[in-house]
Amino acid sequence: QVHLFQSGAEVKKPGASVRVSCKASGYTFTDYAIHWVRQAPGQGLEWMAWINTGYGNTKYSQSFQDRVTVTSDPSASTAYMELRSLRSEDTAIYYCARYSPGLSLWGQGTLVTVSS
Amino acid sequence: EVVLTQSPDTLSLSPGERVTLSCRASQSINNNYLAWYQQISGQAPRLLIYGASGRATGIPDRFSGSGSGADFTLTISRLEPEDSAVYSCQQYGNSPPTFGQGSKLEIK
Repeated sequence: QVHLFQSGAEVKKPGASVRVSCKASGYTFTDYAIHWVRQAPGQGLEWMAWINTGYGNTKYSQSFQDRVTVTSDPSASTAYMELRSLRSEDTAIYYCARYSPGLSLWGQGTLVTVSS
Repeated sequence: EVVLTQSPDTLSLSPGERVTLSCRASQSINNNYLAWYQQISGQAPRLLIYGASGRATGIPDRFSGSGSGADFTLTISRLEPEDSAVYSCQQYGNSPPTFGQGSKLEIK
């Protein structure tokens, strides 16, 4: 059964960094790109970045260009998203999703709360 | 970046009715790479339509997508209670990918 499993909820202070993991199972990890999308409370979906899990090349939203890094570890079938210099507006559910085309498989989401 | 504007923002319909949701882009979407997602409260989004009109695996044929260029629609025929959700469009033909703000559908 194909699945994306994300790491658990995080609570961070402003200025800190957070790293969310996304482990794939049931398919060949490097056959599909992984996208990262977030959703602030009561808000719509916001695209953040994507990574070619086979070659490692990336593309970032300009909204996060200097604060976000996405990586992948094919040996562990896992993708990672790190967001730095957190602020309260970064409180959101962060999703990873597999592109095939369209985002056809989603992780369960990781709630990141930024609060002092 | 491409701005997607969805309409209406909210609507309330009865089971068995038909609904058409609109997604209008600020510029033409390359290759009509436009997707629709359903998000039920508390859940992750689910892909319904890709490439403007391709139905994703396991999606009932009550859901259909159409359109090209900068104007796209999602039609749900014969609404069922479980269709109550937020529907979002996404374009992935122009970089960077962007989402619409979503249309909230309530089933009475």
